[in-house]
Amino acid sequence: NAGVMQNPRHLVRRRGQEARLRCSPMKGHSHVYWYRQLPEEGLKFMVYLQKENIIDESGMPKERFSAEFPKEGPSILRIQQVVRGDSAAYFCASSRLFSGGNDNEQFFGPGTRLTVL
Amino acid sequence: GESVGLHLPTLSVQEGDNSIINCAYSNSASDYFIWYKQESGKGPQFIIDIRSNMDKRQGQRVTVLLNKTVKHLSLQIAATQPGDSAVYFCAEPHHAGSNYKLTFGKGTLLTVNP
Repeated sequence: NAGVMQNPRHLVRRRGQEARLRCSPMKGHSHVYWYRQLPEEGLKFMVYLQKENIIDESGMPKERFSAEFPKEGPSILRIQQVVRGDSAAYFCASSRLFSGGNDNEQFFGPGTRLTVL
Repeated sequence: GESVGLHLPTLSVQEGDNSIINCAYSNSASDYFIWYKQESGKGPQFIIDIRSNMDKRQGQRVTVLLNKTVKHLSLQIAATQPGDSAVYFCAEPHHAGSNYKLTFGKGTLLTVNP
């Protein structure tokens, strides 16, 4: 039973380029969450998606960042015109359902480490 | 600002000792807390959670204690092993009753010396 998959694991981009990060949730999970982690910091929530819907994007910068979770295929976090401050580890998590119950555990992927030169 | 924070950024213990990692929170309405373990180069891994109607919850070699009076929780690891070396985060959902939009503290780096 594969866990949350993210690719690429490492991504290097020059300033001004686009970064595209992919996340495949665990089998049977329909809820995806993206977090960003700066060095020696905790994770910061960015966006919460269900299939074809953005539920909460309050943690995502208004410009240059976008996320989608299409009906088929992985969730994509897209960063346009990257800047050095975008360098961070980006983690995706998925859960089986959304509720207040204890069984809504978020399972995290291994992350994509983005370096902007 | 963040509603969860860690008292100590690093903790070094001898193998076999017990470890205690602390976390403070500021929102008295917080009703659910989770401890995560993050090994180097990996994503966070769920360890144990606790709801505000409990003071203590035990897992395998781990215990979480919640003191609502002083808004403090701790993670206790018994008989710490080298494989326990990692960064430990406490986290809580931003909205009471939900389980998304987790807010993480900065983390405590636990180093286990053989």
